[in-house]
Amino acid sequence: ETGVTQTPRHLVMGMTNKKSLKCEQHLGHNAMYWYKQSAKKPLELMFVYSLEERVENNSVPSRFSPECPNSSHLFLHLHTLQPEDSALYLCASSQGGQIYEQYFGPGTRLTVT
Amino acid sequence: QKEVEQNSGPLSVPEGAIASLNCTYSDRGSQSFFWYRQYSGKSPELIMSIYSNGDKEDGRFTAQLNKASQYVSLLIRDSQPSDSATYLCAVNAEQAGTALIFGKGTTLSVSS
Repeated sequence: ETGVTQTPRHLVMGMTNKKSLKCEQHLGHNAMYWYKQSAKKPLELMFVYSLEERVENNSVPSRFSPECPNSSHLFLHLHTLQPEDSALYLCASSQGGQIYEQYFGPGTRLTVT
Repeated sequence: QKEVEQNSGPLSVPEGAIASLNCTYSDRGSQSFFWYRQYSGKSPELIMSIYSNGDKEDGRFTAQLNKASQYVSLLIRDSQPSDSATYLCAVNAEQAGTALIFGKGTTLSVSS
């Protein structure tokens, strides 16, 4: 595997389900990100982990819960989502420090029914 | 609220022409600027980075930065139908650590 990988690529879940999105980076980076991309809207930064420490983003509902067990892995735990949460969820990583270039995974297309 | 502004388009150019994509940003402290290309249904792909005023060329792509005017642009020479995509401008935010602020993107359509 190379670059940034994400699983699953597609997910359909009901509003009462609990699921998790997984991201893995093989670039030796130490910062990882979750973004949400909805139609006609800019990329929305959800969470940042730098050196495995989380940067809070107060605008993200608590039904989204991130986890970063190490610098290569990032999870987004989902529970009791709403239909408006349907979107493309993108993971990205960067070297950190003063290097801001971010590299994206292929994304998970989430549909909440 | 730090912002990155792009014309949403669509920008339509004939094959072989030069496509010019523009971006303005509000944070005067920004030091790093990026262009991403995103095909429909795919994730953004980094195509250019620029850090200093002036031009940076990479193949058919040229990024131009003017920090005094808070303006960054992307020129695509000899445009090809395969360049048809949405182009996202991204800027680092001085007070936001490693995070980037993205514009909404400009959709480019190259007709053959």
